[in-house]
Amino acid sequence: DADVTQTPRNRITKTGKRIMLECSQTKGHDRMYWYRQDPGLGLRLIYYSFDVKDINKGEISDGYSVSRQAQAKFSLSLESAIPNQTALYFCATSDTGLHEQYFGPGTRLTVT
Amino acid sequence: AQTVTQSQPEMSVQEAETVTLSCTYDTSENNYYLFWYKQPPSRQMILVIRQEAYKQQNATENRFSVNFQKAAKSFSLKISDSQLGDTAMYFCAPSSISNFGNEKLTFGTGTRLTIIP
Repeated sequence: DADVTQTPRNRITKTGKRIMLECSQTKGHDRMYWYRQDPGLGLRLIYYSFDVKDINKGEISDGYSVSRQAQAKFSLSLESAIPNQTALYFCATSDTGLHEQYFGPGTRLTVT
Repeated sequence: AQTVTQSQPEMSVQEAETVTLSCTYDTSENNYYLFWYKQPPSRQMILVIRQEAYKQQNATENRFSVNFQKAAKSFSLKISDSQLGDTAMYFCAPSSISNFGNEKLTFGTGTRLTIIP
């Protein structure tokens, strides 16, 4: 079984809809991250959480919110989706002090 | 904030050849880590290699090695005896540890590497 899972893997939604992307991990890591990937722009950090009670904005948090329900679960929400939020979204985890991050398989989101 | 530059958007080499992907970055920190990640067509992000900035010895991982030049803020990835399975996007990602507990990665824009049979 994969250590970091994301649901759904693909999603098509309409402008204005609320959508939640979910991430779960079995690695026992404290730290979790949400990124979006756009062609030619690499990965950009949306939000990150260093423990259950800690939530931090990344470089592109506008239009997004997150919830850390447990050590193993970190959800990303788009309250009112817009077409320029069409992207590939990745969840990642890391262990305190180790720096390297382990990624989920990604969610392809299309907003029409 | 860190900036990361991967100046080669695309590269292609023949199978079994050696290829070097370049990465430069800008940081004011002295202690940090650097990573190369690979993203094959499956879109999974896979850690290829890691380098600690305080170590002078360049990291190696089987056919993958780095040339880390701290003063020049350069971190290139060399792939030897390239294989078809190396076809992927490659991302350079230094981490920042300016404050304890505040480790984050900054990703470059990637180099698309194609291995030609």
